Amino acid sequence: EAGVVQSPRYKIIEKKQPVAFWCNPISGHNTLYWYLQNLGQGPELLIRYENEEAVDDSQLPKDRFSAERLKGVDSTLKIQPAELGDSAVYLCASSLGSGLSYNEQFFGPGTRLTVL
Amino acid sequence: GQQVMQIPQYQHVQEGEDFTTYCNSSTTLSNIQWYKQRPGGHPVFLIQLVKSGEVKKQKRLTFQFGEAKKNSSLHITATQTTDVGTYFCGMNTGFQKLVFGTGTRLLVSP
Repeated sequence: EAGVVQSPRYKIIEKKQPVAFWCNPISGHNTLYWYLQNLGQGPELLIRYENEEAVDDSQLPKDRFSAERLKGVDSTLKIQPAELGDSAVYLCASSLGSGLSYNEQFFGPGTRLTVL
Repeated sequence: GQQVMQIPQYQHVQEGEDFTTYCNSSTTLSNIQWYKQRPGGHPVFLIQLVKSGEVKKQKRLTFQFGEAKKNSSLHITATQTTDVGTYFCGMNTGFQKLVFGTGTRLLVSP
């Protein structure tokens, strides 16, 4: 069974440029998460989807970040324009459903973003 | 974003020594999860604790959930070099949202 797929694995851009990350969750997983992980820190939630609905985007900096999960399967996270402080690893995770009592999250390999 | 401190932040042990990391919350938790992230890798789920005072074991790993459901610990007996990585707790306060701790980085020397 394939795990969570993310692309690209690495991205280097100049500040003020746009960037997009793609995630394909495990088949059948209704819940999809985007996290940001800075070096030496734990993952911080940016947005959580239940199917195609964004149910928690309180931590998403909406002035420059946007996300979509149009068909309730794969998802795209975009930053426009990128700033130096956005350099981090962007992790995607999925789970069967956050309403379940047992809610193991499966993480993808992440996209390491470097903003110059 | 919100994060909770885990202690210690870093520990370097000799192979065969024990290791413990602690996760503390100021609020009562619905459940807590533990993840391991190898260097250069992504977090991998280890276990979920739900009940007050719950203790679960996975080979050399022992996980505990406090009686008040506000703290948890992960103990590794007789560490091995394969235990190297960062261990994160993920705290669920009941709003279907995991808040991850800052992690404890474990280094094991042979």
